[in-house]
Amino acid sequence: NAGVTQTPKFQVLKTGQSMTLQCAQDMNHEYMSWYRQDPGMGLRLIHYSVGAGITDQGEVPNGYNVSRSTTEDFPLRLLSAAPSQTSVYFCASSYLGVGYTFGSGTRLTVV
Amino acid sequence: AQTVTQSQPEMSVQEAETVTLSCTYDTSESDYYLFWYKQPPSRQMILVIRQEAYKQQNATENRFSVNFQKAAKSFSLKISDSQLGDAAMYFCAYKGRTSGTYKYIFGTGTRLKVLA
Repeated sequence: NAGVTQTPKFQVLKTGQSMTLQCAQDMNHEYMSWYRQDPGMGLRLIHYSVGAGITDQGEVPNGYNVSRSTTEDFPLRLLSAAPSQTSVYFCASSYLGVGYTFGSGTRLTVV
Repeated sequence: AQTVTQSQPEMSVQEAETVTLSCTYDTSESDYYLFWYKQPPSRQMILVIRQEAYKQQNATENRFSVNFQKAAKSFSLKISDSQLGDAAMYFCAYKGRTSGTYKYIFGTGTRLKVLA
């Protein structure tokens, strides 16, 4: 099925650990993004990419890294997890004026 | 900078009735897109409806329609004949160009409760 595949769905990390959230889309979308969703704050943009090899920071980039080596994949790396990074993370992709297609989200808890 | 404001944190509607969710935005651009997304308890984000700013006609999708007032920078969502399955968080979103790059901006959401 065409869409955005996001893994894992749930993850518990200890403070200081690192991990990578995976995101892949098979719709040949140029635009991909990572958001975090916290209660009462909507979705906040972490990083985004307008094509392979091109990434840029969003509203809350600190503590996260991204890369875009292919059109399909856009992984998000947490460098040293902190409790403040406990959140639900969404990957999304789109093409020009079409709305986002979202992944199913990752619930991350940092203890 | 562009902003999106949803001033109603929570709304309730009786089943089969009509409800309108409000959204205002701020931008200096003339070419942009507006969206409403639904997030049910499953957490999946679902595109409900979209509106191109250059189109004067309001978008409709079955029971969902928008009232797009470009001059007032208002983009409300009307849900007719509300159903229990409409209960969800609803997010208004703006997509426009900033420094040559498209950026999406989301509002903080409105939680819709549907009463049987």
